[in-house]
Amino acid sequence: GAGVSQTPSNKVTEKGKYVELRCDPISGHTALYWYRQSLGQGPEFLIYFQGTGAADDSGLPNDRFFAVRPEGSVSTLKIQRTERGDSAVYLCASSLRRDANNEQFFGPGTRLTVL
Amino acid sequence: GQNIDQPTEMTATEGAIVQINCTYQTSGFNGLFWYQQHAGEAPTFLSYNVLDGLEEKGRFSSFLSRSKGYSYLLLKELQMKDSASYLCAAGNDYKLSFGAGTTVTVRA
Repeated sequence: GAGVSQTPSNKVTEKGKYVELRCDPISGHTALYWYRQSLGQGPEFLIYFQGTGAADDSGLPNDRFFAVRPEGSVSTLKIQRTERGDSAVYLCASSLRRDANNEQFFGPGTRLTVL
Repeated sequence: GQNIDQPTEMTATEGAIVQINCTYQTSGFNGLFWYQQHAGEAPTFLSYNVLDGLEEKGRFSSFLSRSKGYSYLLLKELQMKDSASYLCAAGNDYKLSFGAGTTVTVRA
């Protein structure tokens, strides 16, 4: 049984570089979410996709962050000109539907370290 | 805005009971989720309360009072494997707003 998978599990980059983080949701899940979790904190909402479209990107911290889901399945979170403050664990989650009662299933996350 | 408060740390003995409280103030609210997160791993779903009252699921129970903006997670018959962070999250439609998590340490 495949859960949500994320690659890479760890990413170390230098300040100013560009990174891409990938998420493979559970098959058949139409809703996909990205969160960011800093040390000692809970996950913080970044963006929500329903199908191929970004239905809510209000959590993206600035225009260096962008995410796509071109075929309604795999999603990529893209960060340009990385800064040390971007260092965190980036979590992806998916759910069968978008309604409030739907459990979100989380992936193991990508730990991003910006040197 | 969203404000979710829960204690930072709790310690308990194997076999004991621990209650983790969570208070929330949110703009828009559908229900309250509890997730468990072991160090370095993904959060996993424990419970969801939409109505007031107690929901029991094995050793874990969760309570919600919507009028008080209050929930708790009750862990009974603690086991060493229950050592983890427990995240309270308020749901508003599709969006979850998480607290910082409560780290529970179970000692032998």
